[in-house]
Amino acid sequence: GAVVSQHPSRVICKSGTSVKIECRSLDFQATTMFWYRQFPKQSLMLMATSNEGSKATYEQGVEKDKFLINHASLTLSTLTVTSAHPEDSSFYICSANGEGSYNEQFFGPGTRLTVL
Amino acid sequence: AQTVTQSQPEMSVQEAETVTLSCTYDTSESDYYLFWYKQPPSRQMILVIRQEAYKQQNATENRFSVNFQKAAKSFSLKISDSQLGDAAMYFCAYFTGTASKLTFGTGTRLQVTL
Repeated sequence: GAVVSQHPSRVICKSGTSVKIECRSLDFQATTMFWYRQFPKQSLMLMATSNEGSKATYEQGVEKDKFLINHASLTLSTLTVTSAHPEDSSFYICSANGEGSYNEQFFGPGTRLTVL
Repeated sequence: AQTVTQSQPEMSVQEAETVTLSCTYDTSESDYYLFWYKQPPSRQMILVIRQEAYKQQNATENRFSVNFQKAAKSFSLKISDSQLGDAAMYFCAYFTGTASKLTFGTGTRLQVTL
């Protein structure tokens, strides 16, 4: 099956620092990758959609300069939380779909970010 | 805008019994896909079942089946012979090629008791 990995699984950082989260499709080429944020006991909230080689499309209310997304290859997308603050603490999940499966997303295991 | 509503925040079922989780959605599209995802305590999202709107036949995957009522915009999930491992958050989700993104419901937490 299609496997998506995320690294790191957990990260703790100090307020004001930047954190990068990687999302990789391990056994398929991901034409589109998605980044979600999930608060405790809540649903997934789509932050942005990225296509390889293109600028990400951000959802309304998501700060582009705060959450930098790069999709440099067909197997890797990165989310950088810049100048992180405690309110950025959350669970971040990526997903990806490949050619021929545009309507099915394969999810990564998520990254728990804690900003002190 | 498409919306997905799950009116049951929590449900409980005894092991080996059957439970039905409700989901309704709002859309003006005629071609779309519906999904049920499971999120166990590990928080890994797992696809349980999917339904193409153009198909009248309800999808079935082993102990999981759906009742898809297109006119009523309803998409419920039935879990038969519930097992302890079924305990999780269940999210209903909607996808259309127009928006090319998943819209999730608020989720239903399913408890399975002995």
